[in-house]
Amino acid sequence: DVKVTQSSRYLVKRTGEKVFLECVQDMDHENMFWYRQDPGLGLRLIYFSYDVKMKEKGDIPEGYSVSREKKERFSLILESASTNQTSMYLCASSLSGQGTGNEQYFGPGTRLTVT
Amino acid sequence: AQSVAQPEDQVNVAEGNPLTVKCTYSVSGNPYLFWYVQYPNRGLQFLLKYITGDNLVKGSYGFEAEFNKSQTSFHLKKPSALVSDSALYFCAVRAFGGGNMLTFGGGTRLMVKP
Repeated sequence: DVKVTQSSRYLVKRTGEKVFLECVQDMDHENMFWYRQDPGLGLRLIYFSYDVKMKEKGDIPEGYSVSREKKERFSLILESASTNQTSMYLCASSLSGQGTGNEQYFGPGTRLTVT
Repeated sequence: AQSVAQPEDQVNVAEGNPLTVKCTYSVSGNPYLFWYVQYPNRGLQFLLKYITGDNLVKGSYGFEAEFNKSQTSFHLKKPSALVSDSALYFCAVRAFGGGNMLTFGGGTRLMVKP
């Protein structure tokens, strides 16, 4: 079974703090994703990485950055946390290959509260 | 641009009755379609996908979905609901050859009552 783990289930940070969310997958997947989930809005893609050191912006990248130094690890960074970044953050991974319909596998999520 | 609509925020059904969770999509070209389920305080779990071929796709836990190209729909169904099916369900789409990024619907909460 694919396993995607996230460093924290619950996190409380103060406004202005730098926040790191870590994600690790153990299936040698090329692609990794960071989403945020808000009620009624579904999942919105923040950033996507298709290889080590490679990244693409998703729908809502403002206020976030990412780092992928190793294939199995994808980090989401909030440079200066704000209250509107309070949300559930989900990491996912998938095999690469356009035209193959590979599904994404999700971690358990990190519920971040910024006060 | 691709998009997904899940027109119902919540679906209520009695245990043992059939259930349907609706999804319509918009995409350029042929779609890849997915259903995921989320139980409380958990990540999303993959249920099933449509890539090509048979319009009726069978997935995990007795769920199935029917792809209808003319109506651009991909409704999730189950013949007999269980209380344990109560969860949040997400439909997602991406275009064939359109990269790896999925677009998700807003989610539908399914409540199955005993």
